[in-house]
Amino acid sequence: TQLLEQSPQFLSIQEGENLTVYCNSSSVFSSLQWYRQEPGEGPVLLVTVVTGGEVKKLKRLTFQFGDARKDSSLHITAAQPGDTGLYLCAGSHSGSARQLTFGSGTQLTVLP
Amino acid sequence: GAGVSQSPRYKVAKRGQDVALRCDPISGHVSLFWYQQALGQGPEFLTYFQNEAQLDKSGLPSDRFFAERPEGSVSTLKIQRTQQEDSAVYLCASNLWAGNTEAFFGQGTRLTVV
Repeated sequence: TQLLEQSPQFLSIQEGENLTVYCNSSSVFSSLQWYRQEPGEGPVLLVTVVTGGEVKKLKRLTFQFGDARKDSSLHITAAQPGDTGLYLCAGSHSGSARQLTFGSGTQLTVLP
Repeated sequence: GAGVSQSPRYKVAKRGQDVALRCDPISGHVSLFWYQQALGQGPEFLTYFQNEAQLDKSGLPSDRFFAERPEGSVSTLKIQRTQQEDSAVYLCASNLWAGNTEAFFGQGTRLTVV
């Protein structure tokens, strides 16, 4: 059972289009991370957000953490085929373990 | 090596067979996690080590699953009497220190039980 719901589950777009992926939960997280995973590889960290309302930009990617720290979004501007992959959000709670609770993932395909 | 290394990359096991999956974390990383990722899903937490101590094993799905990290570095995840529902990718991740959220993942071991 995934406590973090991601939408959409699948997204196929043309190169140059913009897109937004959503990550929602009923739980409050002390921090939230976004990962990208390619086939046959482990997830690779893109960003960590820790403050409610925080916005971080990484080149064409914009990440936002909700004010209540229960939800987050990832916006990609002018998508490129190299952006193709499985995007995962993951939350962690304060405490020493910092284990991650992952969302169900959004499979993005950017067509040339 | 510079990253988290897992072996084998692929494992096919007959139902009922025991398997052992190995994780070499980044040198000096205190925390080590095991996750299970079913096809088309996000990873799910299995167990956590801080050095050699297994502090949380609440995610292990049954007593057929056992993990160890005897010297606080390499870890092994063992699955006894494998069943088809154990088929998944098993991911290992390590953190530099206990409170750090930046986890570095290995490439995973894809286990297929036939």
